[in-house]
Amino acid sequence: RKEVEQDPGPFNVPEGATVAFNCTYSNSASQSFFWYRQDCRKEPKLLMSVYSSGNEDGRFTAQLNRASQYISLLIRDSKLSDSATYLCVVRLYNNNDMRFGAGTRLTVKP
Amino acid sequence: NAGVTQTPKFQVLKTGQSMTLQCAQDMNHNSMYWYRQDPGMGLRLIYYSASEGTTDKGEVPNGYNVSRLNKREFSLRLESAAPSQTSVYFCASSEATAGLAGGLLQSYNEQFFGPGTRLTVL
Repeated sequence: RKEVEQDPGPFNVPEGATVAFNCTYSNSASQSFFWYRQDCRKEPKLLMSVYSSGNEDGRFTAQLNRASQYISLLIRDSKLSDSATYLCVVRLYNNNDMRFGAGTRLTVKP
Repeated sequence: NAGVTQTPKFQVLKTGQSMTLQCAQDMNHNSMYWYRQDPGMGLRLIYYSASEGTTDKGEVPNGYNVSRLNKREFSLRLESAAPSQTSVYFCASSEATAGLAGGLLQSYNEQFFGPGTRLTVL
């Protein structure tokens, strides 16, 4: 079983739609959580950290459920520019070893 | 600031050849990393260096060696390339940050990635 699992998609949604991505992780000692965004043939870039209490950044909302070892990302009012692959990332506390999910591909269509 | 730079951008090797992938960062970060990315697998950590002078194995270190030449530079060497090492290689760097969230001190560690090296081993 992979340490970080994501639905690979692809998710094809119209502009303006709300879309949610889920991620599960297997190591209960994981302490830090992130969503990264990766455009086609580019490097990953941090989208947002995921805080225990959940957090929002504009149209993006991240949630963490430690009991279920589950992370989610909600994108509201999708834009064409949101088309990318979204990577779920977990890290053990004070450990530089970060584990990446394989990513969920999103395409937003006009 | 250039951020994280990698050379070369593309490389084709024959089985058994050796090569070194170069990585440099100008953000004065202590930690640097090498990942490989394969379809359906996500990024997997090969080696990392928590600080100048130290290196540690990651998830998939076999077939690779690294050198933390100084604080800025972290190179990845393939001594005898194999077709299984065909992949996209990303270098990254980070500086740990910490903050309070939900009453708990949490350590966040944003990693900044280079543009990647596409390596094909024939």
